[in-house]
Amino acid sequence: QQQVKQSPQSLIVQKGGISIINCAYENTAFDYFPWYQQFPGKGPALLIAIRPDVSEKKEGRFTISFNKSAKQFSLHIMDSQPGDSATYFCAAILKIYNFNKFYFGSGTKLNVKP
Amino acid sequence: KAGVTQTPRYLIKTRGQQVTLSCSPISGHRSVSWYQQTPGQGLQFLFEYFSETQRNKGNFPGRFSGRQFSNSRSEMNVSTLELGDSALYLCASSYGLAGGPGDEQFFGPGTRLTVL
Repeated sequence: QQQVKQSPQSLIVQKGGISIINCAYENTAFDYFPWYQQFPGKGPALLIAIRPDVSEKKEGRFTISFNKSAKQFSLHIMDSQPGDSATYFCAAILKIYNFNKFYFGSGTKLNVKP
Repeated sequence: KAGVTQTPRYLIKTRGQQVTLSCSPISGHRSVSWYQQTPGQGLQFLFEYFSETQRNKGNFPGRFSGRQFSNSRSEMNVSTLELGDSALYLCASSYGLAGGPGDEQFFGPGTRLTVL
């Protein structure tokens, strides 16, 4: 069973537009939700993360919106730029005793057209 | 500060062979995690080592093993390679156990393994 469902699989946005990527989860015990950005030939890099007791977190052009009751969270990229073209992964982390278990979404390939 | 380094970057093996991948974490980091990334399955967790002890293991067969040395460097071994093992293998390091707020994982560029 897929614990974290991510959509869309791919996204094309014009430069200056807003990119929105959505994730839904099942387990209410998840306690941390990071987003990763991965460029071709590189490993993922942490972009922004949120705790479930916060409804929104903003860092520059990147915002996470978190809806605890709907068990959904989304990444918004404002004023999208061609340099934002990358694959984005959401994740949910479950703390289990002395380690953290990661559940990743399937990824969204974002293409920002100039 | 140097990032996470992985060697080799590319590797071609044939079925039945074994392979060892290496990861050097960021200086001072004590946790090293390994992930397999494929187009079909996405990112899947293999295992995490912290201070030379395996703390967490994903759902992979016993052909996949790892270890961590006293200097936090880590190796991952895959024995009896199968075609389905072709993937990008990523290593990530963090100061504390991966995943905690404030314990960001830093990923290396990965080792691209192709099994023929």
